[in-house]
Amino acid sequence: AQSVTQLDSQVPVFEEAPVELRCNYSSSVSVYLFWYVQYPNQGLQLLLKYLSGSTLVKGINGFEAEFNKSQTSFHLRKPSVHISDTAEYFCAVSRTSGYSTLTFGKGTMLLVSP
Amino acid sequence: ETGVTQSPTHLIKTRGQQVTLRCSSQSGHNTVSWYQQALGQGPQFIFQYYREEENGRGNFPPRFSGLQFPNYSSELNVNALELDDSALYLCASSLGTENTGELFFGEGSRLTVL
Repeated sequence: AQSVTQLDSQVPVFEEAPVELRCNYSSSVSVYLFWYVQYPNQGLQLLLKYLSGSTLVKGINGFEAEFNKSQTSFHLRKPSVHISDTAEYFCAVSRTSGYSTLTFGKGTMLLVSP
Repeated sequence: ETGVTQSPTHLIKTRGQQVTLRCSSQSGHNTVSWYQQALGQGPQFIFQYYREEENGRGNFPPRFSGLQFPNYSSELNVNALELDDSALYLCASSLGTENTGELFFGEGSRLTVL
């Protein structure tokens, strides 16, 4: 079984400041890693994913994440946030084999203020 | 390209009643997955349908059932509703069942059980 821990339920930050949202996972099998974003009253949208290769993954809206296998982490970063980045961010994992199901963390609410 | 659409967007039921939620998958997608997102939690996998067959199931009781139709749209049925079934129900479509593919989510159906 897989599990995902997002260490911060809420992260307040000022506009144009850098931000890091933390994600750790646990799994007995190989996994793929994902970050999804959920804006208010909307569904989830894929930000980025790690399948293989370079451990630094770039996504949409200027976000990037780094896969660290030894620390079983996949932290999300952005060098300069905007008000429009205010949303709930979910880290998720899926097995590399079998049907495509995602195991999500509880989410981190990013609150960007002016 | 039409995205994933879900109906109804909101509904209120009482304990013991039955509910049907509907999902139209994104054009060209043959796989539909359903997730339950309780307040303050990440989405939890209910089940997946591929070409009209259940392809995988999470840890949900049998009173959660589903269907997929020849046009790949899907229904989620919940019988004997309980208070804890109150949640946002998300439908996600994808092409095929491989874990490398992106899931496209609808905006969800918010169910309140009184």
